[in-house]
Order: sequence, then C-alpha cells, then structure tokens
Amino acid sequence: GENVEQHPSTLSVQEGDSAVIKCTYSDSASNYFPWYKQELGKRPQLIIDIRSNVGEKKDQRIAVTLNKTAKHFSLHITETQPEDSAVYFCAAGINAGGTSYGKLTFGQGTILTVHP
Amino acid sequence: DAMVIQNPRYQVTQFGKPVTLSCSQTLNHNVMYWYQQKSSQAPKLLFHYYDKDFNNEADTPDNFQSRRPNTSFCFLDIRSPGLGDAAMYLCATSRDGRGRGNEQFFGPGTRLTVL
Repeated sequence: GENVEQHPSTLSVQEGDSAVIKCTYSDSASNYFPWYKQELGKRPQLIIDIRSNVGEKKDQRIAVTLNKTAKHFSLHITETQPEDSAVYFCAAGINAGGTSYGKLTFGQGTILTVHP
Repeated sequence: DAMVIQNPRYQVTQFGKPVTLSCSQTLNHNVMYWYQQKSSQAPKLLFHYYDKDFNNEADTPDNFQSRRPNTSFCFLDIRSPGLGDAAMYLCATSRDGRGRGNEQFFGPGTRLTVL
C-alpha cells in the first residue's frame, strides 16, 4: 500500500517568514495530493490540493509543488502569520475507479508555530 | 449549514462496554470514511463505504464495526473498547472517488475516553 513520509515534524518560524513542509510517497499510482490544516481540537480542513497532471498550484500565500518523478510534493506558505499556527497533514490518494474510492494515506503531520 | 455532523462530540465509556458513534451528512456524498486519530498523529483510516459497499482496512481490529443504513448516516460500533481505543474518531465524506474529486470533508470528531 501507499506510504507517505512528512518532514519536518515540527517547524518554528517568525511571522513574515516562509515555511516549507515536504512529503514523499511510495505508490507511483497516486495522483491526488491534498494538504490539510488542523487547529487544536478541530477538524482537518483542506487548504490546497494538486493533481498529478499539474506541477505547481498557488492560492494566495499558499503554494504546492509536485515532482512525480521523485515522488515528492511540498507545501509553501509565504508571509506567515500567527493564525497559520496549526498541524499540517499531507496526503496521497488515487483518483480512479476500482476499490480505492478516493481513500487517502496521510503523512505524520507537521506542527507549525509562527511566532509574532 | 453544518455538512458533516458527528454525535456525540465527547463520549465516555467503560472498558469493555460497547459504544456507538454516529455521523451524518447533508452533502449527499457517495463515500463515507471513519478515521481514528490519536494525539499528535495522523488520521488512520479504519474503513469506508462507497454507497453500501463496505471496505475494511487490513489492519482494522475486529473490535471495530460499521453500519451505513442510508446515504446520510454512518455508524462506528466499538464492541469492547479497550484503553488503547481512546482517541478522536473522525468521519469524512467525499463525492465520488472514481475519476472526480477526492476532496474529503471532515466532521468535528468524537473524542472517546475509555475508563
């Protein structure tokens, strides 16, 4: 099955700095890569996703890059703010038919702390 | 306008006493998932339904069962909870995993405590 590795496990930055979180995956059939943000005690919420036919996607201060050959993808947050502090999870899934039904394998999570 | 609803939000049970967690959705999504999330860990998929088609993960203990009586509702039954089953249980839905969006919408979770 799919295995997703996420680094770093904790990341501390100053407000205004950039933050980068990296993930690698093992199953070359995976073609859907979402990133979720989870604040303490709250549900995971999708912040951005990318599909394998795209190398980069940007949404305001958040961007995701994908390298299919190397099987890794990264989340980039620019101009970080204290409210960006949360746990971030990457995930990989297969957007296809069969028995996968879009199930996701999550990385271990990164605790991001943005200091004012 | 809640889309994925979980009840109760907090559940306390005794060791070995069966417990049922519920999830309902207003999105009319085909797929419903149950995840277990322990402190500071990633959500771990237990099983999922595509409509009535049940898919169990290979490493999900037999102690965990699920029912989906209709599109809107899905239940997680823990037959004999152990101390190691204390966790946050997250329900999620997605529209259709086959060639369309995989975005999963999560409920707020039920935090289970086992005494």
